[in-house]
Amino acid sequence: ETGVTQSPTHLIKTRGQQVTLRCSSQSGHNTVSWYQQALGQGPQFIFQYYREEENGRGNFPPRFSGLQFPNYSSELNVNALELDDSALYLCASSPSPGEVHNEQFFGPGTRLTVL
Amino acid sequence: GEDVEQSLFLSVREGDSSVINCTYTDSSSTYLYWYKQEPGAGLQLLTYIFSNMDMKQDQRLTVLLNKKDKHLSLRIADTQTGDSAIYFCAEKGRTGNQFYFGTGTSLTVIP
Repeated sequence: ETGVTQSPTHLIKTRGQQVTLRCSSQSGHNTVSWYQQALGQGPQFIFQYYREEENGRGNFPPRFSGLQFPNYSSELNVNALELDDSALYLCASSPSPGEVHNEQFFGPGTRLTVL
Repeated sequence: GEDVEQSLFLSVREGDSSVINCTYTDSSSTYLYWYKQEPGAGLQLLTYIFSNMDMKQDQRLTVLLNKKDKHLSLRIADTQTGDSAIYFCAEKGRTGNQFYFGTGTSLTVIP
């Protein structure tokens, strides 16, 4: 059973550019959540995808968008990058969304630096 | 959004107990979690507690929940140098799929 993987591990972009981050969910998991973790802060929920549809969104502008593919892997896209977008982006997969406890398994993250 | 607050730093001697505290605001939270993050790594779930419980023990870890005061704590018995990391508490609300994380407590274990 493979864990959650993310690519790339590090990325440097300049303001105004666009970036795509990728996440492969753990085998058997159909739900992927994305988080932004700024330096010295806790993770902030961006959005969640379940069976290829967005299933909840945090307080992030529309320039943060995502996709989930039939194999449940996911992409996070950020347009018009700003300096404050510099952060560790974490992906977490879980067996299903919903109201009951469902453990989220986190990937190692992608460190994005915007210059 | 919900506020989850933690103290930023904790330093203990190896072999002592560590107690990391957290306060939250959403009284409708169903589950509360403790995660560990080591440098350069993602988050690892340590333990969780359902909101109708007041204590959960798992080997060296003890979680205490005071729902009235919206206070959660994590006690690590016999703290080891390998326990040095940042610890996050998180809550999951009754509705929605969003997890709310605290700012994290950096635990340093002194040999």
